[in-house]
Amino acid sequence: DADVTQTPRNRITKTGKRIMLECSQTKGHDRMYWYRQDPGLGLRLIYYSFDVKDINKGEISDGYSVSRQAQAKFSLSLESAIPNQTALYFCATSDQGFANTGELFFGEGSRLTVL
Amino acid sequence: QKEVEQNSGPLSVPEGAIASLNCTYSDRVSQSFFWYRQYSGKSPELIMSIYSNGDKEDGRFTAQLNKASQYVSLLIRDSQPSDSATYLCAVNFAGGGNKLTFGTGTQLKVEL
Repeated sequence: DADVTQTPRNRITKTGKRIMLECSQTKGHDRMYWYRQDPGLGLRLIYYSFDVKDINKGEISDGYSVSRQAQAKFSLSLESAIPNQTALYFCATSDQGFANTGELFFGEGSRLTVL
Repeated sequence: QKEVEQNSGPLSVPEGAIASLNCTYSDRVSQSFFWYRQYSGKSPELIMSIYSNGDKEDGRFTAQLNKASQYVSLLIRDSQPSDSATYLCAVNFAGGGNKLTFGTGTQLKVEL
């Protein structure tokens, strides 16, 4: 079983719909992240959380919100989806040693299509 | 705005050759630099990290860092078809909140 699990893996929705992408991890890491990946634009950080009570905006947070329900769970919501939010979304985790290792552990990705 | 730039490629090299992947970044004081590999349809995985000027070798991979020129590179010796992937350069910018900023990635194709 994957250590970082994302659901759903694929989703097609319509403009204006509310969508939630969920991420859960069994690695025991405190830090969790949401990235989106677009062709030609690479990975861009949406939101990140260093513990349950800590939520931080990344470089492209507009149109998104997050919830850190527990140490192991970090959800990303699109309140009113629009077509330019069509992308591959990755959840990632890191441990306390991240400052030294730079290692992120990624989920398998959630492909979202907004029509 | 802190930026990481890579040539998107594709970079094509014959099997057995050396592949050279390059990355520049915008902040002279940054301390830590990373290379991630992403196979098509998969998630990224960390393959190399480098913190000091000079070379760092790990098997067939060598990371090179030149902070004065704000330049980091990844050399892959004896390239294999299994090295075909997108390589993402990432920087933990000083004062950036201890998070990674990624480049757009360079697609590498190793041809038989």
